[in-house]
This record gives sequence, structure tokens and C-alpha cells, in this order.
Amino acid sequence: GNSVTQMEGPVTLSEEAFLTINCTYTATGYPSLFWYVQYPGEGLQLLLKATKADDKGSNKGFEATYRKETTSFHLEKGSVQVSDSAVYFCALSDPNTGNQFYFGTGTSLTVIP
Amino acid sequence: ETGVTQSPTHLIKTRGQQVTLRCSSQSGHNTVSWYQQALGQGPQFIFQYYREEENGRGNFPPRFSGLQFPNYSSELNVNALELDDSALYLCASSSLAVQETQYFGPGTRLLVL
Repeated sequence: GNSVTQMEGPVTLSEEAFLTINCTYTATGYPSLFWYVQYPGEGLQLLLKATKADDKGSNKGFEATYRKETTSFHLEKGSVQVSDSAVYFCALSDPNTGNQFYFGTGTSLTVIP
Repeated sequence: ETGVTQSPTHLIKTRGQQVTLRCSSQSGHNTVSWYQQALGQGPQFIFQYYREEENGRGNFPPRFSGLQFPNYSSELNVNALELDDSALYLCASSSLAVQETQYFGPGTRLLVL
């Protein structure tokens, strides 16, 4: 079946630190991979995506590369800001199941000045 | 281009009652999915509608039901509410052209007492 496992939180970093949030997946087919961000009290916002192996998704300084050989899609940012504090969800979309989304449990990030 | 909207934003019900949550999809999107997000967890897929027909269902009992209307708005109905139904309910829409990417509404927070 399909599943997503992501790094447990919470993660606390100082401003301008390097961020990595690990995400690995299990899929029966050829999924698309996503990172969503959820700010307190809000719904999910699409941060970036990659639809095939070796694609790199990027947005707002965040990036992630679709690694089929390691079934991973780790999120990275070179220099975090206080405004990046949020919960980050890794997800996959499986075309074999009508593009149903499977989410990880989320990783809470707090950036301190 | 309008985003995905949901109503109401918050709702309090008592055990055994019924509830209807509403979603208005992003313009041009013909697929809507509903998710349940318990506190501290990732969203769990409830079901998906495409052209007014159910097009996939997650591991939720039949007391969770839905409708999609010709204007691509939709409803999630939950009968015989249980305490564990307390959660954030998210709807997400996608277009035929980019089916693997879903855009989420802000959610309805349901509290069952």
C-alpha cells in the first residue's frame, strides 16, 4: 500500500540555520510527491511538488528532490526565518487510486530569532 | 481565480447529532476530496467526488457521506456524531488538467461534545 513517513518533531532552529525535514514513502505505482505547510489555525498550502523521479521542486527558498532509489523527498532550506514557523506535511498522490493523497503525520518547526 | 472556501469555520455539536459541512471548489476544478485531520495528525482521506459521483473512499464508515453539485460545490454529511469525530475537516479541489495537485480550503473545525 501507500504510506508516508516523515521526521518526528518538534524541530526548533535559530534564524538563518539550515533546515532538513526527512520524508520517505512507500507506493505501489509512480506517485507525485508534495510538501504542504500549515500555519496555525489555517488549512494546508501547497509549498512544492515533484511529479517524477529526479525532479526538484522549489519555492520560497525551500527545495526537495524526488529520489526513487531511496524513496525519499526530503525538504531543505538553506536559511530559515521566523516566518517559516509552521507544521510541514509530506504527501504523495497515487494515480492508481484516483490521485488520493496520503499524508505524513507532520513536522512542527519553530524558528527563534 | 477564486480559491477553495469552506463553511462554517467552526461548529459545535453533541453526540448523536448530524452535521453538514460545505465546500466551494476553486473555479474550473471538477474533483473534490474531503479529509479529516485529527489534532496533531496528518489529514486522512474520507472520499473523493468527480462529476457528482463518488470516485474513491477511505477507511470511514457509511455514516460519512457526501454530495457534489453541478456547480462543483460539495457537502460532507456525518450522521450519529461520535466524540472521535471532533477534528478539522478539509476539502480540496483539483482540475482535470492537473489532477495530481489538490488545493485545500481553510477547513471546518468540528467539536463534538
